[in-house]
Amino acid sequence: DQQVKQNSPSLSVQEGRISILNCDYTNSMFDYFLWYKKYPAEGPTFLISISSIKDKNEDGRFTVFLNKSAKHLSLHIVPSQPGDSAVYFCAVLTNTGNQFYFGTGTSLTVIP
Amino acid sequence: GAGVSQSPRYKVAKRGQDVALRCDPISGHVSLFWYQQALGQGPEFLTYFQNEAQLDKSGLPSDRFFAERPEGSVSTLKIQRTQQEDSAVYLCASSSGFNQPQHFGDGTRLSIL
Repeated sequence: DQQVKQNSPSLSVQEGRISILNCDYTNSMFDYFLWYKKYPAEGPTFLISISSIKDKNEDGRFTVFLNKSAKHLSLHIVPSQPGDSAVYFCAVLTNTGNQFYFGTGTSLTVIP
Repeated sequence: GAGVSQSPRYKVAKRGQDVALRCDPISGHVSLFWYQQALGQGPEFLTYFQNEAQLDKSGLPSDRFFAERPEGSVSTLKIQRTQQEDSAVYLCASSSGFNQPQHFGDGTRLSIL
């Protein structure tokens, strides 16, 4: 069973507009959530995280929202830039702290 | 360098051969993880070390897969008697501790012919 789902395999957004990437998870015991960005032929790069005690975390143009009751996580990028074009993975960490589950990724294209 | 380093970047092997993949984590990172990433999928957990102790190997797909980290720094993932379904990108990540982001290497792309 897929513990973490990203139902949109791809997303295209105009430069300057908002990009919203979504992620759903199944286990209410997950307590740490992350977003990673991946360029081709490179490993994922950590972007932003949020713990289960918060519902929002902001870092510059990137904001992560957590809705625990809906088991839903989203990443907002405002304003979107062409350099943001990459595959974005959400990941969750079990409360034992030693196992990450990744979603299948959403490929974001920001159109200049 | 300061990041996680993996070698080789690409490995081609014939079915039945043994392969060894190396990971140099960020200096001082106690936690080390191995993942397998198939095309179009997210990374899937294989195994986890804290220092030299392998605390979780529940993701290893078969007993042909073996990982070690004897001195608590460099780790090796070994796959014996490789099969075509082992073809994937193998990612290594390290972190400074519990509930900390993982930092990934660029992976080893393994192709089994």
